[in-house]
Amino acid sequence: GESVGLHLPTLSVQEGDNSIINCAYSNSASDYFIWYKQESGKGPQFIIDIRSNMDKRQGQRVTVLLNKTVKHLSLQIAATQPGDSAVYFCAENPNDYKLSFGAGTTVTVRA
Amino acid sequence: DAGVTQSPTHLIKTRGQQVTLRCSPKSGHDTVSWYQQALGQGPQFIFQYYEEEERQRGNFPDRFSGHQFPNYSSELNVNALLLGDSALYLCASSLQGLAQPQHFGDGTRLSIL
Repeated sequence: GESVGLHLPTLSVQEGDNSIINCAYSNSASDYFIWYKQESGKGPQFIIDIRSNMDKRQGQRVTVLLNKTVKHLSLQIAATQPGDSAVYFCAENPNDYKLSFGAGTTVTVRA
Repeated sequence: DAGVTQSPTHLIKTRGQQVTLRCSPKSGHDTVSWYQQALGQGPQFIFQYYEEEERQRGNFPDRFSGHQFPNYSSELNVNALLLGDSALYLCASSLQGLAQPQHFGDGTRLSIL
C-alpha cells in the first residue's frame, strides 16, 4: 500500500492497495475533526468524523487516526477503488461554528 | 431525504454588480454556514446562521452579507463584485450542537467578468 508521513498535495495509488492521507491541524483547542471527499464539480462529501476524546474511529473501508500530541490526523482507505479518486480535505472545528480546512490531497487511483 | 440544495448552479456577473445565492438545508438541520472555495484551495468560512442570526463571521468584508429565513433556508448576498470574488460558493447545513458534522451542497460557481 501507499503511505506518506507528511502531507503531500498528491497521492497516486494502485487499485486494490491501501491509501493513507495525512493532515496536520493548527489549533490545539480543536476538539472535532472531519474528513471530506470532493469530486470534480461537486461539493465536499462527509466521509468520517472523530472527536478529540478518541484516537481512532472506523467506518466502511475508512479509518481515521488522531494524534493530539503532534496535532496530526490521517485517513486510511482500504482496498482503494477507482471511485476513490478525488480531493480529500481534513477539517478542524476550533469552536462550535466554523470549519477550518487543510490543504487538500488529490488521490489518483491507477488501474 | 433531500440533501443540501443550492441555486443557481452557475452564475456570470460583471464587476460592480450584486448577486444573491440561495441554499436549502438538509431536512432536519437548523444551522447554515457559507464558504468560499477558490480554485485549487480548501473552502474558507464566510459566516454561519442559526435562529435567523449571524453567529460567527470569517475574514470577509461587509460586502458579504446573509440571511436565514424561518424555514432555515439561507441567502448569501455579495455587493460591489470584484474579479477576486470568482469562486465556488458552498453552503453547509448542520444541527446546532457540539460535534455536529456539516453537510455541503454542490455549490454555486460564480464567475466575475
